Amino acid sequence: EDQVTQSPEALRLQEGESSSLNCSYTVSGLRGLFWYRQDPGKGPEFLFTLYSAGEEKEKERLKATLTKKESFLHITAPKPEDSATYLCAVQADGSGNTGKLIFGQGTTLQVKP
Amino acid sequence: DARVTQTPRDKVTEMGQEVTMRCQPILGHNTVFWYRQTMMQGLELLAYFRNRAPLDDSGMPKDRFSAEMPDATLATLKIQPSEPRDSAVYFCASGSTSGRTNEQFFGPGTRLTVL
Repeated sequence: EDQVTQSPEALRLQEGESSSLNCSYTVSGLRGLFWYRQDPGKGPEFLFTLYSAGEEKEKERLKATLTKKESFLHITAPKPEDSATYLCAVQADGSGNTGKLIFGQGTTLQVKP
Repeated sequence: DARVTQTPRDKVTEMGQEVTMRCQPILGHNTVFWYRQTMMQGLELLAYFRNRAPLDDSGMPKDRFSAEMPDATLATLKIQPSEPRDSAVYFCASGSTSGRTNEQFFGPGTRLTVL
């Protein structure tokens, strides 16, 4: 069964304290891995798509990396405005061309000033 | 700035009442997804469409939930009758199957409270 697991569930950082969020996945074949950011009271906001192992994408203080079994979202020198829930999702080859995603439970990040 | 829109943003209703949520996908997108989000379950996929045709609605209770796409600019999710356990935030997302992968773009959600 296709599955996505994120860790930790919650993470508290001091401003400037770099860290990483983990997304482990089990799928029959990976078509794409997606990272989203969700702020309280809002819908998930698309951040990155990764297609194959070894690929990296960057946006401001965020860098996403991908291996054959997991993805990391590295946050460098975070600021309080980076506080949000970060969601990982995968699209499996078995989904055909439906666009169906399998989401993890998310990691809630809190960055204190 | 293309965005998915959802109405209403908030809905409070009594148990047993019908609830209709609406979604306008991004123009040009051919897939639409309905999700429910709760603290306990996270994001649950309820139903999805491609080119207005329903592909899978196995994630939603058949006896009370229904999802339709009367045209390419409107998707609806109905609950009849509503129950307190339906209280959640309902998200609509749209995407396109024309690319290599199919990023989904989410609307702001409808917060439903059933008393």
